[in-house]
Amino acid sequence: GAGVSQTPSNKVTEKGKYVELRCDPISGHTALYWYRQSLGQGPEFLIYFQGTGAADDSGLPNDRFFAVRPEGSVSTLKIQRTERGDSAVYLCASSLQGTGANVLTFGAGSRLTVL
Amino acid sequence: DQQVKQNSPSLSVQEGRISILNCDYTNSMFDYFLWYKKYPAEGPTFLISISSIKDKNEDGRFTVFLNKSAKHLSLHIVPSQPGDSAVYFCAATDFGNEKLTFGTGTRLTIIP
Repeated sequence: GAGVSQTPSNKVTEKGKYVELRCDPISGHTALYWYRQSLGQGPEFLIYFQGTGAADDSGLPNDRFFAVRPEGSVSTLKIQRTERGDSAVYLCASSLQGTGANVLTFGAGSRLTVL
Repeated sequence: DQQVKQNSPSLSVQEGRISILNCDYTNSMFDYFLWYKKYPAEGPTFLISISSIKDKNEDGRFTVFLNKSAKHLSLHIVPSQPGDSAVYFCAATDFGNEKLTFGTGTRLTIIP
C-alpha cells in the first residue's frame, strides 16, 4: 500500500480483556517495528521484525504482550489481560532494509483505552 | 532514565522568524540522530537526520546541528511557516541498532 495502515484506529476495552492490533506495512518493506506512545511521552520501542522473525523484542514490557508477523508482511500485536496502564497509542512503522539508520515510516497508530 | 531529553515542552514563534528546538542526550553510544514531526492524529514523519561524523546537516529550511562534546543537538527552522506547527521529536540510535530512543517532544506553534 501507499503507507503504513493500522487497524483499528481506536479501541476501547475493559480491564482483563484480550486485544489485537493490526499493522499493514508498506509493500516490500522487510523491517517492521512496534512502538508505544503514552500521554505526554515520546514513542517507546517495543519490538522489531526483520522478515518473519522478531529480531529484537527487548522493549515488550512483560509476557502479556506478544507480536507476530507470520508471512513477513502484516503484523499483529496481541495484548492479554489488559490493564489500565496499557492505555496508549500503539504505533507501527516499517522500513526498506532495517539497517539501523533507515528512516522509519509510521502509521497513524491505534489508540487503545483500557477502562 | 531518560536518555534523550527535550526540556522545552512547548515553543511559540512568530511566522517568518527562526525556530530553534533543542535536544540533549546522555548515552555516549548514540551516533545517529533524527528529527520527526507529528501532526495530531497522524504518525510521526521523518524530517532530517545527522550522523555523528558531521556537525551540521541542512535540508531546505531545516538545519540540524550536533555538538558531540556537549551531547546536544538542535533543529533550526527558518523561516518558520504556519504549517510547521506540530510536535517535534528528537530520536537517537547507535548505528546497526534498530531501536530508536525518542525524546518527549516539543510542541511548536507558529503565530501568523
